[in-house]
Amino acid sequence: GQNIDQPTEMTATEGAIVQINCTYQTSGFNGLFWYQQHAGEAPTFLSYNVLDGLEEKGRFSSFLSRSKGYSYLLLKELQMKDSASYLCAVSPPGRRALTFGSGTRLQVQP
Amino acid sequence: ETGVTQSPTHLIKTRGQQVTLRCSSQSGHNTVSWYQQALGQGPQFIFQYYREEENGRGNFPPRFSGLQFPNYSSELNVNALELDDSALYLCASSLLAGDTQYFGPGTRLTVL
Repeated sequence: GQNIDQPTEMTATEGAIVQINCTYQTSGFNGLFWYQQHAGEAPTFLSYNVLDGLEEKGRFSSFLSRSKGYSYLLLKELQMKDSASYLCAVSPPGRRALTFGSGTRLQVQP
Repeated sequence: ETGVTQSPTHLIKTRGQQVTLRCSSQSGHNTVSWYQQALGQGPQFIFQYYREEENGRGNFPPRFSGLQFPNYSSELNVNALELDDSALYLCASSLLAGDTQYFGPGTRLTVL
């Protein structure tokens, strides 16, 4: 089976840095995705980690530790538009189905 | 290059009815996956189609069925609608079956 855990809600201040954690326990693992989803909209692809380590892409970075079943998404220089849900998703071998966590709702305050 | 499109945007049905949702994949993508997203939850995998064949299915009953056409567009059909089927239905396309999935805007289904 698959079990993915993320905090339900987080609040941060504009201009600050926030780290959103994701832990997973899966029967098979190929890689981990992060998606951003604004209310009422489709999830938008942010990052994909297969190997251990940090992947940096502009203000967003994603980290993976396969041995610990742990990932985080790091958002720097927070902007109001970053207020959204952040979904962690695991892809199994074969990578047909993505298994999503429930998402972390991030509120950025002025 | 157009992204993933879905129709209709919103739909209201009554219990017991049938519904068909449509999805056009991103140009060049031959794989389409369907997900159901209940309010406050992450998307749940329904099934995936690759080159017109079902290529994996999640834990959904047989009244959820699908098709993929030669142009790689896809349909999701749900029979005998239940109240719990009310959700956002997301379609995602990818270049190949194992690649990054890109989502459409979704269809909001309400079952009364």
